Amino acid sequence: EDKVVQSPLSLVVHEGDTVTLNCSYEVTNFRSLLWYKQEKKAPTFLFMLTSSGIEKKSGRLSSILDKKELSSILNITATQTGDSAIYLCAIRAGSYQLTFGKGTKLSVIP
Amino acid sequence: KAGVTQTPRYLIKTRGQQVTLSCSPISGHRSVSWYQQTPGQGLQFLFEYFSETQRNKGNFPGRFSGRQFSNSRSEMNVSTLELGDSALYLCASASDDYPSWDEQFFGPGTRLTVL
Repeated sequence: EDKVVQSPLSLVVHEGDTVTLNCSYEVTNFRSLLWYKQEKKAPTFLFMLTSSGIEKKSGRLSSILDKKELSSILNITATQTGDSAIYLCAIRAGSYQLTFGKGTKLSVIP
Repeated sequence: KAGVTQTPRYLIKTRGQQVTLSCSPISGHRSVSWYQQTPGQGLQFLFEYFSETQRNKGNFPGRFSGRQFSNSRSEMNVSTLELGDSALYLCASASDDYPSWDEQFFGPGTRLTVL
């Protein structure tokens, strides 16, 4: 059974801090790893990482896939209160479904 | 392009009743997946449909069922509701085109409360 573990489960930082969120996985037939941000309702897509695209960056957010360690990190630099959300990591493996981790709840305080 | 839409947004039912939720994917997307999100279990996969066929199913009892229509719209049905079915039900659609087919775009969800 595919498994995705995120750490930490929750995190409180001050505006301007840099944070690193972790995701590790155990899957067969890995295809891709996805990061989502969930504020109030629907998760919104951030990044997709694959064997051919192990590093992605968008503004203050960046993510790296380590296929050897079966893990990924999501970095957020110069955090803002608008970054407060639950960050979800998901794996697409041999089947068509996404397997999600429990998420990391990030709170950014002014 | 319009995003994924789900109706209704909120629903209150009592134990033993049944419920039908609807999802309209992004135009051109033929893959529709359903997820249940609860505080304790997180996001759990229910099933995925592609071109009116169920391609994959998660570990949920048979009370949970779904279908997809020729226009790619999808419905999920839960019969004999239990208190534990209270959750946010999310629908996601994906493109047919590689590599975009791994990116799923979520709707706003339907918040189901079972009393």
